[in-house]
Amino acid sequence: SQQGEEDPQALSIQEGENATMNCSYKTSINNLQWYRQNSGRGLVHLILIRSNEREKHSGRLRVTLDTSKKSSSLLITASRAADTASYFCATGGTDSWGKLQFGAGTQVVVTP
Amino acid sequence: DAGVIQSPRHEVTEMGQEVTLRCKPISGHDYLFWYRQTMMRGLELLIYFNNNVPIDDSGMPEDRFSAKMPNASFSTLKIQPSEPRDSAVYFCASRYSGREEETQYFGPGTRLLVL
Repeated sequence: SQQGEEDPQALSIQEGENATMNCSYKTSINNLQWYRQNSGRGLVHLILIRSNEREKHSGRLRVTLDTSKKSSSLLITASRAADTASYFCATGGTDSWGKLQFGAGTQVVVTP
Repeated sequence: DAGVIQSPRHEVTEMGQEVTLRCKPISGHDYLFWYRQTMMRGLELLIYFNNNVPIDDSGMPEDRFSAKMPNASFSTLKIQPSEPRDSAVYFCASRYSGREEETQYFGPGTRLLVL
């Protein structure tokens, strides 16, 4: 079963705009990660935020985590056509052996 | 580093045939994960290994699926006999437990079509 649920399922924006997607989860976590998947490729790790962190930045990416609401958001600022991909959140549980549970993903299309 | 290597990249087979998918993790990584991705079910964890030992195979769909990791640099996922519903993209991922960042590194996947 999937732990994380992304919202929206799909997002279409123009270059230069910001893209925001959300992830909700159900059980306690150790960390939450975001991955990107380009069409026909494997997943690529973007950023990790630990359960004791509230916000993290990496380049044009900003991730927030609200453990009280069991939710996270990923913001991509000044989007580019190359950001077109599916984005997945993945949660690492407190008892995990490094096991992650992935959500269904948000499909983002950035048009020039 | 070459990253996680999977072979074949594409496989087309007929129902009932045996299929073997192969994975070479990143050198030094001590965890290896097998996932299956379909439109209907998303990304599912099938099985994972730590130091070549299977830790959790609860995601393996049924007895037709088996996975082995004979050494730190090689793993196989076998489906015998294959069925059309096994059609999916199968990913292998590896991770090093010694890193603070608990990142999994994914291979390019094997796209399996069972006719």
